[in-house]
Amino acid sequence: DTAVSQTPKYLVTQMGNDKSIKCEQNLGHDTMYWYKQDSKKFLKIMFSYNNKELIINETVPNRFSPKSPDKAHLNLHINSLELGDSAVYFCASSQGGRAYDTQYFGPGTRLTVL
Amino acid sequence: AQSVAQPEDQVNVAEGNPLTVKCTYSVSGNPYLFWYVQYPNRGLQFLLKYITGDNLVKGSYGFEAEFNKSQTSFHLKKPSALVSDSALYFCAVRDMSNYQLIWGAGTKLIIKP
Repeated sequence: DTAVSQTPKYLVTQMGNDKSIKCEQNLGHDTMYWYKQDSKKFLKIMFSYNNKELIINETVPNRFSPKSPDKAHLNLHINSLELGDSAVYFCASSQGGRAYDTQYFGPGTRLTVL
Repeated sequence: AQSVAQPEDQVNVAEGNPLTVKCTYSVSGNPYLFWYVQYPNRGLQFLLKYITGDNLVKGSYGFEAEFNKSQTSFHLKKPSALVSDSALYFCAVRDMSNYQLIWGAGTKLIIKP
């Protein structure tokens, strides 16, 4: 069973389009995250939700909007896609948001904006 | 400012030899340290973490890491490298002000047969 899953795995789209990436975890965790990994492999936290409530919102354009319908799901919607949005997006989850909690990552979604 | 550094972009090791991937950190207070591995076109996989206690932490796939408070280091080690260990390795430290993970830039480990 996949612990943290993301769909789609690959997403190729044109500039200006709106797209969504879905994430689900079956670990029973309370906290979920979205990360962006750029072409140089740098990881950057974008958002964190705990029990469906936003707790971290880094400096991310407001074209990015996370939505958590329940604590097992955290979707990422991106409006008006730009070339610079091309990256790999990872979803992760952890038991809670405590210092010692381990984050478990999904397989990633490679977004290519043309 | 809290930070983590992986001073080597790439480490090359012959199969069967011991390997070390370096990580140093700067945090206020006691550090919570993590190592992850990323295989090509895959997500990050948790290897091990240091929270408290024994300075030598054992993790998955035969990896271990040594916490050294005086040198503010948390180097990842394995006694005998496998070609399948070739991957990108990330060190991370917990920012205790907001509980976010601060990530290193990653070290590419190449194990040659």
